[in-house]
Amino acid sequence: SQQGEEDPQALSIQEGENATMNCSYKTSINNLQWYRQNSGRGLVHLILIRSNEREKHSGRLRVTLDTSKKSSSLLITASRAADTASYFCATAPSGNTPLVFGKGTRLSVIA
Amino acid sequence: ETGVTQSPTHLIKTRGQQVTLRCSSQSGHNTVSWYQQALGQGPQFIFQYYREEENGRGNFPPRFSGLQFPNYSSELNVNALELDDSALYLCASSLSTLADYTFGSGTRLTVV
Repeated sequence: SQQGEEDPQALSIQEGENATMNCSYKTSINNLQWYRQNSGRGLVHLILIRSNEREKHSGRLRVTLDTSKKSSSLLITASRAADTASYFCATAPSGNTPLVFGKGTRLSVIA
Repeated sequence: ETGVTQSPTHLIKTRGQQVTLRCSSQSGHNTVSWYQQALGQGPQFIFQYYREEENGRGNFPPRFSGLQFPNYSSELNVNALELDDSALYLCASSLSTLADYTFGSGTRLTVV
C-alpha cells in the first residue's frame, strides 16, 4: 500500500519556471525523503527532512514539512529541461520500518 | 567502486520459471531493501534485510524470498513466475533503516 500521495500526478512547465510538488501521508513519520527517477531507471536521493524540521534547502531544491497536516512540498526553482523526471516522496514511519513510496509526480520541463 | 550494483539489467523469463536477482550494496551499508515497481507506479516494498536478518516484509506472497550475505550483498528469488511479476526490481542499500537509500539501476524483468 502507498503511504504518500503526490500531487499533481503530472506537471508540465516551461524552462526557467518553478515547479512545486506536494506529498501527503497518513501515519506519523521519523523523516520524509524525496527521490528522483529518470525514465525507468534507479531512484536518486534528493533530500531528507526530519520530523522536527520544517524547511530544508539543497541547491535549487526547497522542501517543507508540516507534520500537523501530514504534508510536504518540493519546490524546484529555475527549472531546466534536465529536471524532467518522476519525483517521489517516501516516508520513514516511526520505528524500525522501511521507506514507503508514493506514486510520484511526472515533471516535464519544456525548453 | 561505491554505489549499488544490480544484475542482470534485463531478463526475460517464461511463466512458471524461477528467477534470482542480485544486488551488491554500497560499501559500508548493512541494510538492503528490495522494491517492485510496475510501469507508471511507485516502488512497492518487498522486504528488507539488516545484517543478514529479514527486517520487514511487504504484501508479497511467499514465492518472493531473499537473503543477505555476510558482505551485505543480497539476492531476491521469485518462484513460479506470473505475468504480473513483470516489473522493474529495485535494490537499495542504506547505513541504517532510517537513513537515506542508495538505489541501484534496477533489473527489468519481463515474464512471457
